Amino acid sequence: GENVEQHPSTLSVQEGDSAVIKCTYSDSASNYFPWYKQELGKRPQLIIDIRSNVGEKKDQRIAVTLNKTAKHFSLHITETQPEDSAVYFCAAPPFSGGYNKLIFGAGTRLAVHP
Amino acid sequence: SAVISQKPSRDICQRGTSLTIQCQVDSQVTMMFWYRQQPGQSLTLIATANQGSEATYESGFVIDKFPISRPNLTFSTLTVSNMSPEDSSIYLCSVGGSNTEAFFGQGTRLTVV
Repeated sequence: GENVEQHPSTLSVQEGDSAVIKCTYSDSASNYFPWYKQELGKRPQLIIDIRSNVGEKKDQRIAVTLNKTAKHFSLHITETQPEDSAVYFCAAPPFSGGYNKLIFGAGTRLAVHP
Repeated sequence: SAVISQKPSRDICQRGTSLTIQCQVDSQVTMMFWYRQQPGQSLTLIATANQGSEATYESGFVIDKFPISRPNLTFSTLTVSNMSPEDSSIYLCSVGGSNTEAFFGQGTRLTVV
């Protein structure tokens, strides 16, 4: 089955710095890679996703890069702000079962200090 | 998008009892998913709730412990049976996710004492 590994588990940055979170996956047939943000006490929400036919996608201060050969994808947050503080999860759908579910990484707790 | 209502939002239960969590979606969906999020941990998929057939459970989760109902395309329930303190977690229902955005209910925070 799919195994999604995420690093680092915690990340502390100064406001204005960049933050990078990395994930690797095991199922080479996986073709969709979302990132979710979960603020304390709230439900996870999608912040950006990428499909296997592109290598990079940007949305304002957030970008995701994908390396299919190496089976890893990364979340990049530039010009971090205190409101970016949250737990971030990467995820990938395993091919087995026809892509009908999502496996999450362990999560990264990001702290942005003013 | 999908709007998911989940209840109860929280509960404190005695060990040995059972709790049923309800999940209502504002549109018809083929599959609904139930996740467990233990304190400070990631989301672990418990099972996929299929309308018209038995739920599909992930490794480590069994029907006797987590029975699931799916009576129609907009509603599902998850029961946590014969609870122990180790079952204290947040339980979330979800739709979508495998190739489009996943939407989550607000979660049920369960404490077993």
